[in-house]
Amino acid sequence: LAKTTQPISMDSYEGQEVNITCSHNNIATNDYITWYQQFPSQGPRFIIQGYKTKVTNEVASLFIPADRKSSTLSLPRVSLSDTAVYYCLVGESGPNNDMRFGAGTRLTVKP
Amino acid sequence: NAGVMQNPRHLVRRRGQEARLRCSPMKGHSHVYWYRQLPEEGLKFMVYLQKENIIDESGMPKERFSAEFPKEGPSILRIQQVVRGDSAAYFCASSPRRGGLGPDTQYFGPGTRLTVL
Repeated sequence: LAKTTQPISMDSYEGQEVNITCSHNNIATNDYITWYQQFPSQGPRFIIQGYKTKVTNEVASLFIPADRKSSTLSLPRVSLSDTAVYYCLVGESGPNNDMRFGAGTRLTVKP
Repeated sequence: NAGVMQNPRHLVRRRGQEARLRCSPMKGHSHVYWYRQLPEEGLKFMVYLQKENIIDESGMPKERFSAEFPKEGPSILRIQQVVRGDSAAYFCASSPRRGGLGPDTQYFGPGTRLTVL
């Protein structure tokens, strides 16, 4: 399983775009990149998943360069309610389908 | 469609007692995962189960901890003879095994907060 490295914490202000980068230097060919969000006292919630280039949904965008050794989660125009911990995970599909959560990035959005 | 359900939400046990945590996956999901989270830390994978089978228990402590996912009923995480270090939030997730590209999305429950006195 590929190890991931993320910043421990980030601060932002309401209305700004936030980019959280995750390093995964030993990502394997079959690995996908998945991001989860966790609010205090709640279970994590799936945000977005991608394999290469760019993926966008109603919540976020995920940018993956050609070498796939890193990825960037982009949150447009954050609000106070986006304050949470964001986890980057790398794993492959298959019968075991387990993923390993790191410490995540604690994002604090200020007014 | 109800989400993943866990009960109890809060559980208090004295040292040496047994703790039983239950997880009902989303309807149609046959894969269950258990994680443990200590305060201010990330989630730690414990075990991955399918109906009546343990697929990966590499994250489970070798003693006192066990998990099952019977053909009928919820998945159970059992901790025998609890110690203070077992105090944590325990999250369960389920996935549908859709068989497509990429890992299946895991849907998490609200967690059970275990406090050992």
